[in-house]
Amino acid sequence: DAMVIQNPRYQVTQFGKPVTLSCSQTLNHNVMYWYQQKSSQAPKLLFHYYDKDFNNEADTPDNFQSRRPNTSFCFLDIRSPGLGDAAMYLCATSGGTSGYNEQFFGPGTRLTVL
Amino acid sequence: GENVEQHPSTLSVQEGDSAVIKCTYSDSASNYFPWYKQELGKRPQLIIDIRSNVGEKKDQRIAVTLNKTAKHFSLHITETQPEDSAVYFCAATYYGNNRLAFGKGNQVVVIP
Repeated sequence: DAMVIQNPRYQVTQFGKPVTLSCSQTLNHNVMYWYQQKSSQAPKLLFHYYDKDFNNEADTPDNFQSRRPNTSFCFLDIRSPGLGDAAMYLCATSGGTSGYNEQFFGPGTRLTVL
Repeated sequence: GENVEQHPSTLSVQEGDSAVIKCTYSDSASNYFPWYKQELGKRPQLIIDIRSNVGEKKDQRIAVTLNKTAKHFSLHITETQPEDSAVYFCAATYYGNNRLAFGKGNQVVVIP
């Protein structure tokens, strides 16, 4: 089945220790997104790629970076995680032929910062 | 940019009753309105969406209505069941835009 996959599902890191989260998709969608979701809140868009074009949100901290080496994979790098970065990180894709932004989410990676 | 407001923040209903969640949006250019359901600890999943060329769309027990003049859209769940308990997010965007503006979410609790 076509899907969005995130690894790992749970990640524990130490304060200040870099961490990388990964996302892959078999939908062949041209847009990939990274969202941060904290408890009882809506997903907050960090950035997205349209093909290779990177689009950063104005309020995304510099601590968050992303890479998209090919259509299928996208990575979220947190250079120096702080306690406030503990959250669920959701990857999503879109790019159906309709032109409407139907987004498909991965299962998420829950990040714990010690 | 688009601003989506969602009310109420929490809704409790008896099993079998109907639930209605209402969202308002600010940008008259928005023409696509999806609804996502997120169960505890799981991913948001698209459950229904509506485009601005129609006023209502139904899929079994769920329906969405859109009032473009008033700039609001609503999710209707009939004959609620315990598995409908979740957080529901509305969103808005326009054709060709890669960003979704999400509402803050609504916790629906179905009481058996």
